[in-house]
Amino acid sequence: DVKVTQSSRYLVKRTGEKVFLECVQDMDHENMFWYRQDPGLGLRLIYFSYDVKMKEKGDIPEGYSVSREKKERFSLILESASTNQTSMYLCASYPYSLDTGRYEQYFGPGTRLTVT
Amino acid sequence: AQKVTQAQTEISVVEKEDVTLDCVYETRDTTYYLFWYKQPPSGELVFLIRRNSFDEQNEISGRYSWNFQKSTSSFNFTITASQVVDSAVYFCALIRDTGNQFYFGTGTSLTVIP
Repeated sequence: DVKVTQSSRYLVKRTGEKVFLECVQDMDHENMFWYRQDPGLGLRLIYFSYDVKMKEKGDIPEGYSVSREKKERFSLILESASTNQTSMYLCASYPYSLDTGRYEQYFGPGTRLTVT
Repeated sequence: AQKVTQAQTEISVVEKEDVTLDCVYETRDTTYYLFWYKQPPSGELVFLIRRNSFDEQNEISGRYSWNFQKSTSSFNFTITASQVVDSAVYFCALIRDTGNQFYFGTGTSLTVIP
């Protein structure tokens, strides 16, 4: 069973704090993703990584950075949290395949972040 | 550019009614893959189905069925005899054959009333 875990289910931080959201997958997947989910906007891609130390910006990278030092771990960093970053954050992983699309993404349970 | 549209934001049905969730997509690629995910109140997205662009056969899995029509760029999802446990947000998604980025619709929130 593929398992994607996220460090916290709920998190409350203050404006200006540095926030780390951690994601770990146990299936040796090459690709990992961070999404943000807001009502009416669906899932929006923040960053993804296709290999250790490699990263690509998604649709809304502003205000975020990521780190992938080990294959199984992908961290999302809010350098200086702001109230408009209050949201649900979802991590996902996906194996590499020459036949892209053969597999589905596997999601973690999400972290609901509130910035006050 | 790729785009997935789920025009139905919220749907409410009474238990045992049938309900269809619409998904319309845009892509210029000839090879692509379509997905449906379910997000129950617990928050974790659960994979339901994957379809590639060359397979237009409809699929049935228990009370769930999917209708893929390339002519109308649609991949609709029907729940027959809905149950309260079907209450969730449902997402449709697309990935190109040449990329590893998934494009999600905005989701449809389904409430099944007992």
